[in-house]
Amino acid sequence: QQPVQSPQAVILREGEDAVINCSSSKALYSVHWYRQKHGEAPVFLMILLKGGEQKGHEKISASFNEKKQQSSLYLTASQLSYSGTYFCGTPKGGGTSYGKLTFGQGTILTVHP
Amino acid sequence: EAQVTQNPRYLITVTGKKLTVTCSQNMNHEYMSWYRQDPGLGLRQIYYSMNVEVTDKGDVPEGYKVSRKEKRNFPLILESPSPNQTSLYFCASSSGGLYNEQFFGPGTRLTVL
Repeated sequence: QQPVQSPQAVILREGEDAVINCSSSKALYSVHWYRQKHGEAPVFLMILLKGGEQKGHEKISASFNEKKQQSSLYLTASQLSYSGTYFCGTPKGGGTSYGKLTFGQGTILTVHP
Repeated sequence: EAQVTQNPRYLITVTGKKLTVTCSQNMNHEYMSWYRQDPGLGLRQIYYSMNVEVTDKGDVPEGYKVSRKEKRNFPLILESPSPNQTSLYFCASSSGGLYNEQFFGPGTRLTVL
């Protein structure tokens, strides 16, 4: 079942903060976050694992609440380059993903100067 | 350069005319997937492959076929395309394992008239 993201869209000015949430109806082992810029392919941002491990490429922070089956992506001091659509992905069946991810519907983030 | 390539990038075709979208990765990844992206629906997995000759259905497999005869290639076949298959298609690969970062191809925009 597809995870649910909120909000659907966010508009910010440079330097402002935003939080994007991802909720699942199933128990989660991990949550993946990707960003897609307009006209481009999604790019990996971060993965959070049950137990607290995480791996990410950028200075973007996220949290993973296993009990609530939720993850939040924190975008602080936003830059113009943060604009894009953010997707969370969760493993089908709730276990380790090994490539079988179900993605949320996406959150469109727009950062203005 | 590590990458996933897709061809063609753009395709306009007519209903019922068989087509193949190729996908190739040079990272020796075991896991490969096909997704379609439609406005408001996010990324939906079509098919998934865990290794050569091993494939599994994703969330929206109807009307699609795949094959994995070589580790690097994972073509998507539409035997009889219909207008509801008009979409943006992404191929992705990953090494599996605990973190399982997915690398996406540049996308193929398909229009079925």
